Amino acid sequence: NAGVTQTPKFQVLKTGQSMTLQCAQDMNHEYMSWYRQDPGMGLRLIHYSVGAGITDQGEVPNGYNVSRSTTEDFPLRLLSAAPSQTSVYFCASSPVPAGEKLFFGSGTQLSVL
Amino acid sequence: GESVGLHLPTLSVQEGDNSIINCAYSNSASDYFIWYKQESGKGPQFIIDIRSNMDKRQGQRVTVLLNKTVKHLSLQIAATQPGDSAVYFCAENFGQGSQGNLIFGKGTKLSVKP
Repeated sequence: NAGVTQTPKFQVLKTGQSMTLQCAQDMNHEYMSWYRQDPGMGLRLIHYSVGAGITDQGEVPNGYNVSRSTTEDFPLRLLSAAPSQTSVYFCASSPVPAGEKLFFGSGTQLSVL
Repeated sequence: GESVGLHLPTLSVQEGDNSIINCAYSNSASDYFIWYKQESGKGPQFIIDIRSNMDKRQGQRVTVLLNKTVKHLSLQIAATQPGDSAVYFCAENFGQGSQGNLIFGKGTKLSVKP
């Protein structure tokens, strides 16, 4: 099994550009989530989903959109990139309804100039 | 909101010694706790978890202790090896069912000296 796969691994954007970070898992997990990691800030929850067709906001949702049309995929969209969104983004999935025992992807390092 | 914090941001230990990484939590309603290891350039990797109805749980070379009286969580690593060098995060979950999400602390960097 590949686990949780994130693409791209690195991305540079200009302020105002939009893009989608891809996340796919092949473990048939219902729960998926997106975190961002900034130096000294730990991991902060952006959005999460408890199943296909269901999404909800986490701690820092502003500037991001998500959708969950299938169990496998959970893309994160940046609508209009800002320098404050420069961060490392991690997608995770869990075999239980709540966000316990998350399995993480390898991350996407995003720089917004 | 509630947050998970760490007592020490950095920890340096000698190879072969035992390591203890501490974590304080503030939400008494938290019922699930978990430790992750993150190596440079990689995603967090699950180490061990514990529920609030337990005080101690052991894995391979790792032990998690939970003290609900003082809201304290610790990760003990026995016979620390160079491969244990990483940042360690604790996280808590105080939601119920599908409302729960993991809230992470800021991390402790463990350096193992050969």
